[in-house]
Amino acid sequence: AQSVAQPEDQVNVAEGNPLTVKCTYSVSGNPYLFWYVQYPNRGLQFLLKYITGDNLVKGSYGFEAEFNKSQTSFHLKKPSALVSDSALYFCAVRAFNNNDMRFGAGTRLTVKP
Amino acid sequence: KAGVTQTPRYLIKTRGQQVTLSCSPISGHRSVSWYQQTPGQGLQFLFEYFSETQRNKGNFPGRFSGRQFSNSRSEMNVSTLELGDSALYLCASSLHRNNEQFFGPGTRLTVL
Repeated sequence: AQSVAQPEDQVNVAEGNPLTVKCTYSVSGNPYLFWYVQYPNRGLQFLLKYITGDNLVKGSYGFEAEFNKSQTSFHLKKPSALVSDSALYFCAVRAFNNNDMRFGAGTRLTVKP
Repeated sequence: KAGVTQTPRYLIKTRGQQVTLSCSPISGHRSVSWYQQTPGQGLQFLFEYFSETQRNKGNFPGRFSGRQFSNSRSEMNVSTLELGDSALYLCASSLHRNNEQFFGPGTRLTVL
């Protein structure tokens, strides 16, 4: 069965600095990888996905993520953080042809002015 | 296009009662999944429906059930509610089973 780990419960960065939210996964076969963001009292919003192809994936709001097969990682990055990026971020994985999506525990990102 | 809608948004029930939650997916989306979100357990997969058939089920007791209708709308039912069922229940739809999911705002269930 697939699983996802987000090793950091909380990430704090200063506005304007680069941010990284870490994610590692375990899956049999080729993974489908996703990042979602959740703002307070809201549902999850899709940010980006990796299915196949280029290891660097660009998504919404200036976020990007790098798929690293050897390290089984899919870290979320942004070159310059905004205060409005403060939210709860979830990494998710699904194995090919299996729609059982597994989510990580979430990482709370706080961007301070 | 309208997003995923869930009704009701808030529910308060007492132990032993049952509850039905409704989800309308984005038009054209045939896959609907349900998740339970709690502060302690995070996001837990409940089940997934595609073309009116349950394709996957998470590790939840039989008190949790669901169904999907021919128009792709879905309902989930929880019988004999327990205090631990208090959670945010999220519905997500996708065009096909391997696409990204789009989430509704959730139904906040409180069991007293």
